[in-house]
Amino acid sequence: QKEVEQNSGPLSVPEGAIASLNCTYSDRGSQSFFWYRQYSGKSPELIMSIYSNGDKEDGRFTAQLNKASQYVSLLIRDSQPSDSATYLCAVGTEKLVFGKGMKLTVNP
Amino acid sequence: DTGVSQDPRHKITKRGQNVTFRCDPISEHNRLYWYRQTLGQGPEFLTYFQNEAQLEKSRLLSDRFSAERPKGSFSTLEIQRTEQGDSAMYLCASSLRDWPQHFGDGTRLSIL
Repeated sequence: QKEVEQNSGPLSVPEGAIASLNCTYSDRGSQSFFWYRQYSGKSPELIMSIYSNGDKEDGRFTAQLNKASQYVSLLIRDSQPSDSATYLCAVGTEKLVFGKGMKLTVNP
Repeated sequence: DTGVSQDPRHKITKRGQNVTFRCDPISEHNRLYWYRQTLGQGPEFLTYFQNEAQLEKSRLLSDRFSAERPKGSFSTLEIQRTEQGDSAMYLCASSLRDWPQHFGDGTRLSIL
């Protein structure tokens, strides 16, 4: 059974700080990795995709992938209250396997 | 382009009734996926289509569940003889080939 594990959280950071979210996965053959943001009562929204080892930056978001350690992370710089949401790590191609999500609260 | 559209947004029904949900993918997307999400959990894969062909079904998709995608456009997910445990958010997503999946707003099903 392919599994994706996220830190249980919740995570609370002050406005302007860096929020760090982590995820590990069990299938060593995985090739595609995603971070989705989900506001309460809403559907998941894709914010980052990463396919190769290293860092990928998009605005205030940086995704990091280490396939040898089977580890993927998301850094949010200059966190804003509007970043408060649940962040879901997902792994796979046709069939995405999701973690349970990490609830992030950014305090003004 | 318009996003993934799901209908209805909310469905309340009595246990034992049949329900059907509809999903309209992003127009040029050839793949369509169904997931189910319960409170405090990440979405769980149910099934996916490439064009009109249903290529994979999760063991979560019991005999009471059926999905179709006639003509490779919209898709329907039917649940027969609903049970309390079917209460969840049913999410539809679509993608162009192996590109990232984009989700609709979901259908929230409540079983009385």
